[in-house]
Formats: sequence, structure tokens, C-alpha cells
Amino acid sequence: DAGVTQSPTHLIKTRGQHVTLRCSPISGHKSVSWYQQVLGQGPQFIFQYYEKEERGRGNFPDRFSARQFPNYSSELNVNALLLGDSALYLCASSLIVGGTSIHEQFFGPGTRLTVL
Amino acid sequence: GNSVTQMEGPVTLSEEAFLTINCTYTATGYPSLFWYVQYPGEGLQLLLKATKADDKGSNKGFEATYRKETTSFHLEKGSVQVSDSAVYFCALTNTGGFKTIFGAGTRLFVKA
Repeated sequence: DAGVTQSPTHLIKTRGQHVTLRCSPISGHKSVSWYQQVLGQGPQFIFQYYEKEERGRGNFPDRFSARQFPNYSSELNVNALLLGDSALYLCASSLIVGGTSIHEQFFGPGTRLTVL
Repeated sequence: GNSVTQMEGPVTLSEEAFLTINCTYTATGYPSLFWYVQYPGEGLQLLLKATKADDKGSNKGFEATYRKETTSFHLEKGSVQVSDSAVYFCALTNTGGFKTIFGAGTRLFVKA
């Protein structure tokens, strides 16, 4: 079975540009979460989406936005890129049972974003 | 708000040594607790989990017990192997399951 997939694998942008990252969850998983992982640190929670609605949000500025599509895939958008946005962006999917996640998340390989 | 604190690394052990990686948390309600592992060149994967107080999660010889009275979820293994060399992350998911907080990670090196 296919795991969580993310595209692109690597991306180089310049300050002020916009970027869109994409994620496809494991088949049957209806929840997608996004994380930012700076080198040497733990993943920082950005968003969680379930059934196309935002269910959780971390402490990130409004430059960060996301959406989930009817097929449960998701996009993360970042506007007005800053040097500090350089990081590995991880997507994770999880199964939702009875409206509450059973909590185990399956992570994709990530998108490495470099902002110059 | 919720937070996770884990011991700083790196931790360097010889093969067959006993491993403990400390993790403490701050949370309201009834969070679920996790240990994730990131092997060199690979993505994050779940190692073990515990969803309520006094639960013990275990996998691949690793264990951790959800201690509500000490707000801890320490990771232990009786005899580490070189193949256990990786970065270990403690994490919690809040009640309702819609926000997960990770610790900073602890890098483990195991020498033959």
C-alpha cells in the first residue's frame, strides 16, 4: 500500500515569493496535518484538516494557509517567503474514527524548502 | 499551553547498554503520548504510544509508561543495538486529537 506522498521533494525559492506544497494521504485516511521541521529541532505543528475543515492550528503567521480537497489530499501555501521559512515541511495522515483521531500519524518524506 | 520537554542529546551508548530517554509534558485534559523515531535518511515513524494513564506502550524492545502523577513518558530499552542509532521524539496529542506537540528530539548513537 502507498504511504503518504509529498511533492515536490525539494524546492528553492527567493524571499517574497509564494510556495505551494502538496500531500496525498494514505488511502482511507481523512485527516491531514502539516508540520515545519527546522534542522536539529522537533516538528512544529502548523495545521490539521479533517473533512476539508481546519480542526487545529499552531502558532504560525497568516502567511501560512492550507486546504483539503474532497479526495482528502491537501495543499500548504506560504506567502511572502522569509529566510526563516527554510525547513523540512512534513505532512502526516491519520485515521479518524467517530469524529476523533485515533492519534497515530503516518508521515510523508517531507518537502525540503530553501529560501534564498 | 501544552508542551513536551525531553532530555538533550546526543546520548552515546555501547551496544547492549541500558537506555533511558526522559520525557515530561504539560497538558490539560487527557492527552495521548507517543514516541516517534527518525532513522538516518528516513522519515518519522511511530515507535510506540499510550492513550491513557498507566498504559504501557511497547515495540521493538522499547517501552514507555504513561505516568500522569509525574507527567512523564520516559523511553527505555534494556539492551540497545547499533541499529537503534536514530533521533527519538516524544510527542503528545491533545484531547480530541487535533493538535500534536513534539519535543526537540534526542539523538542516540550506539557504538559496537
